[in-house]
Amino acid sequence: AQTVTQSQPEMSVQEAETVTLSCTYDTSESDYYLFWYKQPPSRQMILVIRQEAYKQQNATENRFSVNFQKAAKSFSLKISDSQLGDAAMYFCAYTLFNNAGNMLTFGGGTRLMVKP
Amino acid sequence: AAGVIQSPRHLIKEKRETATLKCYPIPRHDTVYWYQQGPGQDPQFLISFYEKMQSDKGSIPDRFSAQQFSDYHSELNMSSLELGDSALYFCASSHLGQETGELFFGEGSRLTVL
Repeated sequence: AQTVTQSQPEMSVQEAETVTLSCTYDTSESDYYLFWYKQPPSRQMILVIRQEAYKQQNATENRFSVNFQKAAKSFSLKISDSQLGDAAMYFCAYTLFNNAGNMLTFGGGTRLMVKP
Repeated sequence: AAGVIQSPRHLIKEKRETATLKCYPIPRHDTVYWYQQGPGQDPQFLISFYEKMQSDKGSIPDRFSAQQFSDYHSELNMSSLELGDSALYFCASSHLGQETGELFFGEGSRLTVL
């Protein structure tokens, strides 16, 4: 079974600075997707960024980028120029692509606090 | 753009009662997923449906059942409710043909069991 681990229950960052959230996963598959989802106090799950395992290039979405290390099974999220609105729970998630459905397996989450 | 619609948004029930949650996926999405998120926990996969057939099953209690209807909406039925069933229940949808692997989540239904 696939597992996703987020070793940082809480992180804090000063506004405008950079923070990196860690995620490791365990799988025997070679073709899969990884995601970072953001869950603000409203509890809505919002996709931040996705990475296809077959792509070597790290995904980037504006201030958000990932460091995907396939061999190490590591998938960290870097948030640059942190903003107060970035404060939320962040979940790393994994899914296989070749399936009847894309069931997501989530990590335990990292609570990010942004200090003004 | 249309999103995943869940109803009701909030629900309060007594122990041993029954509750039904509804989910309306994004139009043309053929797969629906149900997740349960307890307080301070990550979402746990319950069950999924593809083209109205159960496609995957997670940690769904026997007291719970679900189905996907011909219009692709899904309902999660929970019976003999227990205090531990209090949680946020997410529905998500996707289209199997999409190559992004992304699930689109609804805003969740918060169930409180007293």
